[in-house]
Amino acid sequence: KQEVTQIPAALSVPEGENLVLNCSFTDSAIYNLQWFRQDPGKGLTSLLLIQSSQREQTSGRLNASLDKSSGRSTLYIAASQPGDSATYLCAVRDQGAQKLVFGQGTRLTINP
Amino acid sequence: DADVTQTPRNRITKTGKRIMLECSQTKGHDRMYWYRQDPGLGLRLIYYSFDVKDINKGEISDGYSVSRQAQAKFSLSLESAIPNQTALYFCATSDFGAGTQYFGPGTRLLVL
Repeated sequence: KQEVTQIPAALSVPEGENLVLNCSFTDSAIYNLQWFRQDPGKGLTSLLLIQSSQREQTSGRLNASLDKSSGRSTLYIAASQPGDSATYLCAVRDQGAQKLVFGQGTRLTINP
Repeated sequence: DADVTQTPRNRITKTGKRIMLECSQTKGHDRMYWYRQDPGLGLRLIYYSFDVKDINKGEISDGYSVSRQAQAKFSLSLESAIPNQTALYFCATSDFGAGTQYFGPGTRLLVL
């Protein structure tokens, strides 16, 4: 059974810092991995999707990497801003499966 | 206008009542999903549908039922609500190719 873990559960950093959020998964036979952002009381917004054949994806100040063999993904946020404060979730879709398996998220706070 | 909408956004009900949560999408996607989110447990899949004639159970379908009235509409019913169904419920859609899932804003349900 696939399990997804995100550590730390919460992170607080000063504005302007570069930071890395971590996601690990137990079964490397994945179809893709997706990073989401969730603001309080709101739905999830898709940030980046990495197919199993890819090593990384970039969107603006965000860069997500995937290392299937080690069961790890990282989300790199450059030059953090207070507006980046949110909970970040990673989710894995297994090969041949239709559902996403979510981690419990990292709650990120960027202090002005 | 939002691509994925959910109604109601908030609902308080009593134990034993039947309630329906509705989801509509304008993205033209065939695949639709219902998740629930609980603190400390992350998001878990309740049901999913690949087209109007296709309904599949997720990992926590007991106590729930769904109806896919049209390609754009997917409703979730609690036949007899119980307090441990208090949660945040999300609808999501995806197309076949990209695999990216797009989420609605969520329905916050409280069962007393």
